[in-house]
Amino acid sequence: SQQGEEDPQALSIQEGENATMNCSYKTSINNLQWYRQNSGRGLVHLILIRSNEREKHSGRLRVTLDTSKKSSSLLITASRAADTASYFCATDGGMANQGGKLIFGQGTELSVKP
Amino acid sequence: DSGVTQTPKHLITATGQRVTLRCSPRSGDLSVYWYQQSLDQGLQFLIQYYNGEERAKGNILERFSAQQFPDLHSELNLSSLELGDSALYFCASSPGIAKNIQYFGAGTRLSVL
Repeated sequence: SQQGEEDPQALSIQEGENATMNCSYKTSINNLQWYRQNSGRGLVHLILIRSNEREKHSGRLRVTLDTSKKSSSLLITASRAADTASYFCATDGGMANQGGKLIFGQGTELSVKP
Repeated sequence: DSGVTQTPKHLITATGQRVTLRCSPRSGDLSVYWYQQSLDQGLQFLIQYYNGEERAKGNILERFSAQQFPDLHSELNLSSLELGDSALYFCASSPGIAKNIQYFGAGTRLSVL
């Protein structure tokens, strides 16, 4: 399978704590994206990091990328109950992918308890 | 609201039947993507259309087909349905062909009984 893996599969934390999710992928990439999905709803784009970038910030989100290890991490700081959702990393498959398909990981289910 | 509209939201049908899922992309987006999400397979890319032409194909079954019309809306046709086709089907759109952020619709939940 081309799909990567996310770790952990599930994460439960208290409000105010930080949440870290990791993603590993298998192919070369042009960019890597993180998406969020509330239960049974559509995916919402959070952040995109290009293959020549190592770190990117957006509000309470921090994404790192290590292309030598084919891995990325998403850090959510000062989590809120409203952050409860599933988080997916998605890669574009690099030069081998002539189209725009995204290859998704299995996702991390985050539960933030008030 | 992503600006991507999918209809219907829910679909319940029987094995052997055929259904059509519809997607209207965000205004101005030329690419439409279809994904299937199931518990055992996760999120799987099915097919991409760009400005009416098929651009990329994933693990789409031969029983499934799609098209993109001149007004850029897209339809995914699923035929000879099996129990295992029960899943959430998402449509996404983006402005260009590749390397884009994709905007997802709310999905169509298909239940095959």
